[in-house]
Amino acid sequence: QVQLVESGGGVVQPGGSLRLSCAASDFTFSHYGIHWVRQAPGKGLEWLAFIRFDGSKEFYADSVKGRFTISRDNSRNTAFLQMNSLRTEDTAIYYCAGYGGHTGAFDFWGQGTMVTVSS
Amino acid sequence: DIVMTQSPDSLAVSLGERATINCKSSQSLLYRSDNKNYLAWYQQKPGQPPKLLIYWASTRQSGVPDRFTGSGSGTDFTLTISRLQAEDVAVYYCQQYHNSPPMYTLGQGTKLEIK
Repeated sequence: QVQLVESGGGVVQPGGSLRLSCAASDFTFSHYGIHWVRQAPGKGLEWLAFIRFDGSKEFYADSVKGRFTISRDNSRNTAFLQMNSLRTEDTAIYYCAGYGGHTGAFDFWGQGTMVTVSS
Repeated sequence: DIVMTQSPDSLAVSLGERATINCKSSQSLLYRSDNKNYLAWYQQKPGQPPKLLIYWASTRQSGVPDRFTGSGSGTDFTLTISRLQAEDVAVYYCQQYHNSPPMYTLGQGTKLEIK
């Protein structure tokens, strides 16, 4: 059973930083791209960033470009989302999702980690 | 940017009946290179992460019951849930993939309840 487990969420003040992790197990992590998607309380889903299976390319939504950085360490089966200059509107559950490479969809998801930006 | 608009925002359907959710894209999602529509559907139950149901507009993900059917092409798509069961209560999202550069947009969601 493929598994993604997010961690690193918490409460941070506006302007602060946080680094989220997405740990993979029970599949060949280095064969899969990774997305980060968030969901503000009571709201819909928003795609944030994607990194290719080998880490060669990253893509970002305009809403986070320049503030968030996606990365991965295939030797540790882990992906990351570095979030800087956080704003109150970044408060959300952050999910990582795996992508097998040909469907254009988010194939499987982690359970998410909550980030609260508040003073 | 491609905008995805779902309708209705919410609906209530009786058990055993059919539920229909629509999704409209501001641009065609049909890629001539492989003749595939890059449109996916997800189901999100309360307190859970989303789950992929359908990709390429009509291909069911492994393990998804055949009560779930995706259809449509170009800019207009439909998710149909036949023989509604109590476990189908959820919010459903459509999602598009644009490949140059890779961008992903989701609809606002449709909340499905039992009447």
